[in-house]
Formats: sequence, structure tokens, C-alpha cells
Amino acid sequence: EVQVVESGGGLVQPGGSLRLSCTTSGFTFGDYAVSWVRQAPGKGLEWIGFIEKKAYAGFTDYVASVKGRFTISRDDSKSIAYLQMNSLKAEDTAVYYCTRDSGWLHYNWGQGTLVTVSS
Amino acid sequence: DIVLTQSPGTLSLSPGERATLSCRTSQTFSNNYLAWFQQKPGQAPRLLIYDASTRATGVPDRFSGSGSGTDFTLTISRLEPEDFAVYYCQVYGDSPRPFGRGTEVEIK
Repeated sequence: EVQVVESGGGLVQPGGSLRLSCTTSGFTFGDYAVSWVRQAPGKGLEWIGFIEKKAYAGFTDYVASVKGRFTISRDDSKSIAYLQMNSLKAEDTAVYYCTRDSGWLHYNWGQGTLVTVSS
Repeated sequence: DIVLTQSPGTLSLSPGERATLSCRTSQTFSNNYLAWFQQKPGQAPRLLIYDASTRATGVPDRFSGSGSGTDFTLTISRLEPEDFAVYYCQVYGDSPRPFGRGTEVEIK
């Protein structure tokens, strides 16, 4: 069974940093791309970025609002993806979801981890 | 960037009724790479439809997707109690992958 579990969320001050983890099991992690999608409280979904599988050089891309502040990486040996978030702003407050992607589709989602940016 | 406009914002219907949800895109895109997701309160989204009209594994056949170009529709033929939720459309196949703002299907 495919499992995707996010962790690392919490309360952080504006300007601070946080690293989220996406721990997976039940499939060959290295064969799939991974995306991060967020959802601000009471709002809709926002795709924020993805990392390709190593066969495609682990290419990454991000939405404009986080480019230069957020970095996605992966450790295929541990079946984990990471979202490093720097220079956090109040508007980054959201539930962050990790997804297993296939053909650009978000096939499997974790339950999300809440990040709150507040002083 | 492509902008997705979903309508209506809220759809008030009774169990057994037919639901028709619209998703319009600001421009055409490749290969009808449009997906629909369902999200219930406190849960992660779930993939329902991809390639505009293909049901994901395990999705009941009362859900159907249609459309091409810039106009797409998700139809729920007969609403079951578990179908009351928020539905999002998304364009994929390139970066970025924008979502629509969602349509809430609520019990009338």
C-alpha cells in the first residue's frame, strides 16, 4: 500500500526557516516525481513545486511566489523528499501536502502538515 | 500562466440529484491535461478524473468528466451522501500546475 506522510510543521516566526519531510513507503520512490501543494486556512489548493525523479536529473521547479525561498530535495535511499522553506512570511501559513506524482498527476497525497508563520 | 475559473462557487443539491460543475481555463493547453480532485473536510484531496475524462482507480462511475479546449465539466450523475465535498480542477503537464478555486457541493 502506498503511504505518504508529511512531518515537520509547526509555528515559526516571520523570516524564519522550516524543513518539512515527506516519508513514503509501498512503492519504488526513485521512480516517481514528488510535488508539494499547500492550502491556506479556509482557502483552495496551491501547487508550489516539484522534483523530478533522478532519471530526469532531479529537475525542480516552483511557483513564482516561493521561488528563491523554497527548495525541494530528495533522498532516494531513504524514500524521503524535503521542502526547505526560508524567509517565511505570514502568507505561507498553510497545510502542506506532499504528493507522489506520475505523468505530472498527483496520484497519492499525504494527510498534510500545518505550518503557521506568526510572531 | 493559465487561470482556471470554476463555477458555481457553491452548488446546493439534494441526494439523488445531478451535479454539473464547470471549469474554464484562460487558454488552451496540451493533451487535455486536466484533472478533478475531491476534498472532504479535514481530509487530503483525492484524484477523481484525469486527462479530462478518465476516472482514477476506484472512482465510482457516477463521476464523469468531459470537455476540451477551454471548457470542462465534472458531472456527478446521482449524488450520494458521501459526494458532498469541495471539487477542484487542475491543469497539469507543465509548470506551474494551477488549481481552480473550487466548487463546494452542499446538501440542500
